[in-house]
Amino acid sequence: AQRVTQPEKLLSVFKGAPVELKCNYSYSGSPELFWYVQYSRQRLQLLLRHISRESIKGFTADLNKGETSFHLKKPFAQEEDSAMYYCALKTWDDKIIFGKGTRLHILP
Amino acid sequence: NAGVTQTPKFQVLKTGQSMTLQCAQDMNHNSMYWYRQDPGMGLRLIYYSASEGTTDKGEVPNGYNVSRLNKREFSLRLESAAPSQTSVYFCASSGDSFTGNEQFFGPGTRLTVL
Repeated sequence: AQRVTQPEKLLSVFKGAPVELKCNYSYSGSPELFWYVQYSRQRLQLLLRHISRESIKGFTADLNKGETSFHLKKPFAQEEDSAMYYCALKTWDDKIIFGKGTRLHILP
Repeated sequence: NAGVTQTPKFQVLKTGQSMTLQCAQDMNHNSMYWYRQDPGMGLRLIYYSASEGTTDKGEVPNGYNVSRLNKREFSLRLESAAPSQTSVYFCASSGDSFTGNEQFFGPGTRLTVL
């Protein structure tokens, strides 16, 4: 079965502390994974994708095929990071499946 | 470049009424998608279209139909609306592997079924 699991509905972190948003996937093929972010009153937008191995706004995510995970990390949280974060999986037939999302709340 | 546009932005229906949500993209993307977003449920795929002329069911297709009218437009129809279809609906389009398969989202349609 194709599935994306984000185990935390809400994550509260103090400003300056490290952030880790968890994402696990279930997919029999070679996965293509993404993180999307939705800031308050804005559209969903791409944050990063695993194939480009980039760092965006200080966030990174590494694909771990052994653990079937694609956790999102940032060493020092900022208040502007407060948002809803979604992990997404693209399948071979162009279907894109999202997890249930994690709301990240940065405490001052 | 308008990106992905959706109409209407808000809609209130009575149970049993029908309506069509419109979506258009001007990025020449092959793939288009319809999602619904509900609290605690995240984004759930209703239908998608990998190319003009094709449509496929997603996770929650029951109660919906879609039409890929041309490469630009992908509409979602509720034939007989039910209160369980109260949700925020998002349309998205996706580029190909050369553009990193990034999805671009519309602003959403907030639908209430009474």
